[in-house]
Amino acid sequence: ELQLVESGGGLVQPGGSLRLSCTASGFTFSSFWMTWVRQAPGKGLEWVANIKRDGSETHYVDSVKGRFTISRDNAKNSLFLHVNSLRAEDTAVYYCARDTTPWADGFPYDAFDIWGQGTMVTVSS
Amino acid sequence: AIQMTQSPSSLSASVGDRVTITCRASQGIRNDLAWYQQKPGKAPKLLIYAASSLQSGVPARFSGSGSGTEFTLTISALQPEDFGTYYCLQDYNYPRTFGQGTRVEFK
Repeated sequence: ELQLVESGGGLVQPGGSLRLSCTASGFTFSSFWMTWVRQAPGKGLEWVANIKRDGSETHYVDSVKGRFTISRDNAKNSLFLHVNSLRAEDTAVYYCARDTTPWADGFPYDAFDIWGQGTMVTVSS
Repeated sequence: AIQMTQSPSSLSASVGDRVTITCRASQGIRNDLAWYQQKPGKAPKLLIYAASSLQSGVPARFSGSGSGTEFTLTISALQPEDFGTYYCLQDYNYPRTFGQGTRVEFK
C-alpha cells in the first residue's frame, strides 16, 4: 500500500524546535520530489517547502526561510522538516505529500497524489 | 508571491447540480494549476493537475479548464460525497500558493 506517515508533532514553547518526520512505504521514495503543506486550525492550506529527489534542491515559503529546513534520507525512505524559532503562527497540522511531477506538453507539473495523515504542531507558552 | 483568489468562498447546491468554482491568479501562470478536495479532518485529495488533466481514479464529473490567469473547476452533477472544501494551487513558480478555498455544502 502506498503510504506516508508523519510523526514528531507536539506542544512546544515559542522559540522552540521540533523535527517532523514522514516515512514512506509502498513506492520508490527516492524517485519523487516531496513537499510539506500546513494548515492552521480552521484555516486554508499553505505550501511550506519541497525537496528534489536527491535532496540537491529545496524551496521554502518566505515566512519560514531561515527557520525551517527540509531534508530527506532516501536510504530510510524518510522526509524531515526541522522547525526552529517557532512562533504562534506556526501552529498547524503539517502534512507531507508525494509529488508525482507528471509531464505534459514538455513541461513538468506538481501533482501531490499521496498525503500523510498530518501531525499537529502547537506553539504556545 | 503569486496570489490565488477563489470564488465563491462558499456555495450551497443540490445533488445533481452543476457547480463551478473559479480561481484567479495575480499574474499569468500558463496552465500550472492543480485542484484539491479536502474533507473535514482529512488530508487533501488531488483532483486535477496541469489545469485540465484528471487524476487517475477521480470521477469524470470533475473537470478543469483555463490558462493564464483564470481557471475553473466544474462538477457536472454534484454527488453527496462531493461536499468539502476545494483549493486551487499554482505551481508556476516558488513559493507555490493555494487559493483560500471554496466550501461546498448541500442545500
